[in-house]
Amino acid sequence: DTEVTQTPKHLVMGMTNKKSLKCEQHMGHRAMYWYKQKAKKPPELMFVYSYEKLSINESVPSRFSPECPNSSLLNLHLHALQPEDSALYLCASSPLGLSGNTIYFGEGSWLTVV
Amino acid sequence: RKEVEQDPGPFNVPEGATVAFNCTYSNSASQSFFWYRQDCRKEPKLLMSVYSSGNEDGRFTAQLNRASQYISLLIRDSKLSDSATYLCVVPRAGYSTLTFGKGTMLLVSP
Repeated sequence: DTEVTQTPKHLVMGMTNKKSLKCEQHMGHRAMYWYKQKAKKPPELMFVYSYEKLSINESVPSRFSPECPNSSLLNLHLHALQPEDSALYLCASSPLGLSGNTIYFGEGSWLTVV
Repeated sequence: RKEVEQDPGPFNVPEGATVAFNCTYSNSASQSFFWYRQDCRKEPKLLMSVYSSGNEDGRFTAQLNRASQYISLLIRDSKLSDSATYLCVVPRAGYSTLTFGKGTMLLVSP
């Protein structure tokens, strides 16, 4: 079983709604990630947090707003999304310094924008 | 050369067959590599790590060829449960995160 927990597992939201995806890990990892995955495509990196600070933003539109309240939690706030934003959103964590380390994914949140 | 490149497949093989996938990468400074497995509508899960010339775990063998910059994954005695997409993963330059290949789909039939 994954040690990265994501909620909710499924979310349907309208284009004017505001919602949040939540992620929690208790492995003591100091790097946390948000990935977006569309059908038949590999995961695409959105954001990386290192020591609770945003270290990478892959030019993600501002309608996606990440937040890292502490070393165990990662949120993704959603506002004014478009139907094309419908996808699987994966949270992941890793020890810092990926040389020799890898990342562990949560089960993902399936988002549908209507 | 793209950062990570894989043949998308699908590879259709019968049970018991041996199948191999290749993956090429562009960052010659990469020291570690990973194969992830992703089942339909599930998250990617780590299958194997490759740090030197190769790694073996039961029916699975991963090989690394630094000179030619490719990694391979060999699956022996394929099982129906091996049907999945196999993602080749390479750390990005600077080790800030990972770059995923597009994945190779494997379908094992009875």
